[in-house]
Amino acid sequence: QVQLVETGGGVVQPGRSLKLSCAASGFTFRNHAMHWFRQAPGKGLEWVATISSDGTTNYYADTARGRFTISRDNSKGTMYLHVNSLRPDDTAVYFCAREPYLVIGVATFYFDLWGQGTLVTVSS
Amino acid sequence: QSALTQPASVSGSPGQAITISCTGTSSDIGGYNRVSWFQQHPGKAPKLVIYEVNYRPSGVPDRFSGSKSGNTASLTISGLQAEDEADYFCCSYRGPSSYVFGTGTWVTV
Repeated sequence: QVQLVETGGGVVQPGRSLKLSCAASGFTFRNHAMHWFRQAPGKGLEWVATISSDGTTNYYADTARGRFTISRDNSKGTMYLHVNSLRPDDTAVYFCAREPYLVIGVATFYFDLWGQGTLVTVSS
Repeated sequence: QSALTQPASVSGSPGQAITISCTGTSSDIGGYNRVSWFQQHPGKAPKLVIYEVNYRPSGVPDRFSGSKSGNTASLTISGLQAEDEADYFCCSYRGPSSYVFGTGTWVTV
């Protein structure tokens, strides 16, 4: 079954850290660039970060740069998002998504498979 | 990073056609043919319905179509059906290596 499953969300105190995971199954994970997005309660979607298929190149939104770290383990078919110094405005559902490819390593600029998301609530 | 502008809501009767606009700038929609649209039912993951302005993924009904003119992209849903009631978000590539989403439009059938 082709799917992405996010885990690791929960209630976290401000200033603490959290590591989210995105487990892939049913497709060749190592061939795809991957992305993290988030959606604050009642709000729109926001792109957070991108990681290349081989994990050597990362990109971050301005709001994520410095506190967020995206990584992946292709041997485990899993992507991660480590967030430091959590703030209340980081409260959101965090989604991971797959970018399709025609040629491995060449961007296609859209996202064809999404996970169900994991809720992160930052509150004391 | 300013979001792309969408109407908050659009409504239509079953069988009718509706169009959702998505307005950006020359740095995103106007600069690239990298506009996609997502359908999101409450509490669910987004689903890709249009990519690269006007391409439909396999399995998406041909009632969904996309277009672009200048800095504005549009999603048209023809033959509106009850299951089309959802939030719709546009998304554009905004180089380098960044993306911006629209504010979202709730479609009422």
